Amino acid sequence: SQTIHQWPATLVQPVGSPLSLECTVEGTSNPNLYWYRQAAGRGLQLLFYSVGIGQISSEVPQNLSASRPQDRQFILSSKKLLLSDSGFYLCAWKTGTDTQYFGPGTRLTVL
Amino acid sequence: AQSVTQLDSQVPVFEEAPVELRCNYSSSVSVYLFWYVQYPNQGLQLLLKYLSGSTLVKGINGFEAEFNKSQTSFHLRKPSVHISDTAEYFCAVSRSNDYKLSFGAGTTVTVRA
Repeated sequence: SQTIHQWPATLVQPVGSPLSLECTVEGTSNPNLYWYRQAAGRGLQLLFYSVGIGQISSEVPQNLSASRPQDRQFILSSKKLLLSDSGFYLCAWKTGTDTQYFGPGTRLTVL
Repeated sequence: AQSVTQLDSQVPVFEEAPVELRCNYSSSVSVYLFWYVQYPNQGLQLLLKYLSGSTLVKGINGFEAEFNKSQTSFHLRKPSVHISDTAEYFCAVSRSNDYKLSFGAGTTVTVRA
């Protein structure tokens, strides 16, 4: 069966520091991969998605970037965090045409 | 592009009472519809989905939803809720064969004894 991992589970970082969040999927090949953010009091915002290695689509201009160095690995990064980057970050995967499956999330607090 | 409206941001309900969460969507093409549940500090879990066929869809934990094409709705129901159903619920829609989901703003369900 397929599983999706995210780490770290929680992270507290100072403003201006770098960021690296990792997502890996097991038990499937060539998945579509997604990064979402939930800010306090707001819904889910799609940040990036990838349909293959090295292929990244950005949904909104922002302080973040994404990379997919391997088929089942998706990384979310920032060179300098802002207060507004705080939130709950969710990774998701999909194969075929319908359902996205979500990871457990990373809670990021920028102070 | 498609969009999703969840008509209730908060739904308080007593234990063992029924609950309905309303979801309307707009799209000019055929869509897939989903309900997800999110427990505090966890990821989203799929409750149920409509792809095609029967308009009444049954999901996990006793939930069901009915697709109504004429009213562009996909309301979620449960006849008797438990304390453990306290969570946030998201309706989502995608066009067939599309990479992306569009989510509603979410409905927070609070079940009280």
